[in-house]
Amino acid sequence: NAGVTQTPKFRILKIGQSMTLQCTQDMNHNYMYWYRQDPGMGLKLIYYSVGAGITDKGEVPNGYNVSRSTTEDFPLRLELAAPSQTSVYFCASSYSGTGGPEAFFGQGTRLTVV
Amino acid sequence: AQSVTQLGSHVSVSEGALVLLRCNYSSSVPPYLFWYVQYPNQGLQLLLKYTSAATLVKGINGFEAEFKKSETSFHLTKPSAHMSDAAEYFCAVSLLSGGYNKLIFGAGTRLAVHP
Repeated sequence: NAGVTQTPKFRILKIGQSMTLQCTQDMNHNYMYWYRQDPGMGLKLIYYSVGAGITDKGEVPNGYNVSRSTTEDFPLRLELAAPSQTSVYFCASSYSGTGGPEAFFGQGTRLTVV
Repeated sequence: AQSVTQLGSHVSVSEGALVLLRCNYSSSVPPYLFWYVQYPNQGLQLLLKYTSAATLVKGINGFEAEFKKSETSFHLTKPSAHMSDAAEYFCAVSLLSGGYNKLIFGAGTRLAVHP
């Protein structure tokens, strides 16, 4: 049971480059999330999705885009990378049934923009 | 707006001592509440969750948390710290907003355990 899988684990980008962070889950969860983690700041929600074809902005969406064409995949796109986007990115998924929306996390992608 | 506040970005305890990590939330209705743990260079792992059943919630690794509505708190405790408990701990709250669940995290508390 793979859970939530993120690729790549590490990446160095030059300013102005673009890239896509991949996220796949095999638990048939309808909710998926992208967070960024900066030291001392906790996790900030970038975008989330409540199902295929439905996405919405979180707390810090500027500079990012997402899509959700399937239940399993929720890629995060960075256009025109900036040093401020240096961070650790986590993808998560959850169900929306009773018992609370417990989130399952991937291992993270450490991104450095230079 | 809903938020989560974790008091103390760093907590240091001796091995065998009580662990107390504080979390307060702001919400107009009782939310779902969670504690997650993050070990170095890893993702987040669920420790325990409150979902409006029992107010005292037991989790993994001997941790527990008590939901106190009057204090809007959900503090995490463990009677006796172990060296392996050294990690960063995050409190999170979830509430329906616009018909959808959003998970909002606190800033985290880094727990150090010394011999």
